[in-house]
Amino acid sequence: NAGVTQTPKFQVLKTGQSMTLQCAQDMNHEYMSWYRQDPGMGLRLIHYSVGAGITDQGEVPNGYNVSRSTTEDFPLRLLSAAPSQTSVYFCASRPGRRGTYEQYFGPGTRLTVT
Amino acid sequence: GNSVTQMEGPVTLSEEAFLTINCTYTATGYPSLFWYVQYPGEGLQLLLKATKADDKGSNKGFEATYRKETTSFHLEKGSVQVSDSAVYFCALDNQGGKLIFGQGTELSVKP
Repeated sequence: NAGVTQTPKFQVLKTGQSMTLQCAQDMNHEYMSWYRQDPGMGLRLIHYSVGAGITDQGEVPNGYNVSRSTTEDFPLRLLSAAPSQTSVYFCASRPGRRGTYEQYFGPGTRLTVT
Repeated sequence: GNSVTQMEGPVTLSEEAFLTINCTYTATGYPSLFWYVQYPGEGLQLLLKATKADDKGSNKGFEATYRKETTSFHLEKGSVQVSDSAVYFCALDNQGGKLIFGQGTELSVKP
């Protein structure tokens, strides 16, 4: 199993550009989520999904869109990048929403918006 | 709302020293509590967890006990190694998968 994979590892965008951060998992996990990590703030939940076709907002959803067409993939879209979106982005998955399952994290995407 | 507070870092220790990283939480109900570790350039890995009051999670020499009366989940290790240098995150899960993280504590262990 590759676990949770993310691409790209690094990305530089100009203000106003759009891009999609890719996330995939091969563990057949129902639950997937996106977090952003900022210095001194820990990780904050952006969006999550409890299964294909079902998504919902987390703590900091503004400026980001998601969709979940398959169990494996959960892309995060930035429609018009802003400097405030400079951060490290982590995708995570777990078997289901209920229970005390471990969340498995990807290696992260470091995004800089200039 | 739910929140997690960790002690500020960075924490610098000599090899074989005793480690404590404080973590307190605010939550309704009975959340599950976790410690995650992030090694340089990597994603987060689960270090240990506890799902109810008085549970003790342990892994790789690290321990933490779920204390409901003090709303705490402090991380301890009796003798740290250089390889333990990393950022440690305390987190809670009170709403079916939505993790609430503390701000992280950077640990640096010198030989």
